Amino acid sequence: EVQLVESGGGVRRPGGSLRLSCVASGFSFDDFGMSWVRQVPGKGLEWVSGINWNGDSTGYAGSVKGRFTISRDNAKNSLYLQMNSLRAEDTAMYYCTKELARWDYSNSPIDYWGQGTLVTVSS
Amino acid sequence: SNVLTQPPSVSVAPGKTARISCGGNNIGSNSVHWYQQKPGQAPILVISYKSDRPSGIPERFSGSNSGNTATLTISRVEAGDEADYYCQVWDGDHWVFGGGTKLTVL
Repeated sequence: EVQLVESGGGVRRPGGSLRLSCVASGFSFDDFGMSWVRQVPGKGLEWVSGINWNGDSTGYAGSVKGRFTISRDNAKNSLYLQMNSLRAEDTAMYYCTKELARWDYSNSPIDYWGQGTLVTVSS
Repeated sequence: SNVLTQPPSVSVAPGKTARISCGGNNIGSNSVHWYQQKPGQAPILVISYKSDRPSGIPERFSGSNSGNTATLTISRVEAGDEADYYCQVWDGDHWVFGGGTKLTVL
């Protein structure tokens, strides 16, 4: 059974930093691209960032480029999102997601989602 | 940058057919994926690559895509289909989601 378990959410002041983690199990983690998707409570979905199977290709939404960094540790079956220079508009539930097809994060839909970790940015 | 436009809400009676649109510039040339999200739950994939159904998704769910509009069609709608639905496409260097459509079963 595929499981994606996020952690690291919390409350930060604007300008602060936070690191999200996602531990994956139930599949060959190092074969698949992964992404982070966020959702403001009661609002729609926004893709944040993606990373390919070995970490040498990454992508970001324009709203987070230059502030967020995605990474992975295949030995630990883990995905990360380093969030710097946080803004109030980054407040959202952050989901760790797995791509349907192997290797990249850009060529297939999401077939598994974690339950999310909540990030709140407020002064 | 591609913008995907969905109607905020669609209402349908049980047993009838619901159609949820996703408008975008030349979206017919893209692979469109559809997700269903029920309150308090993470989304699930219901249609991929325009018309493929993942295992466990009823045949009542289907997709089409042409020109500037992609459509998710749900036949013989049931109360359990009430949810938010999102379309998704790859826009060259990033993923884009539509704004979402709330399907209400009357």
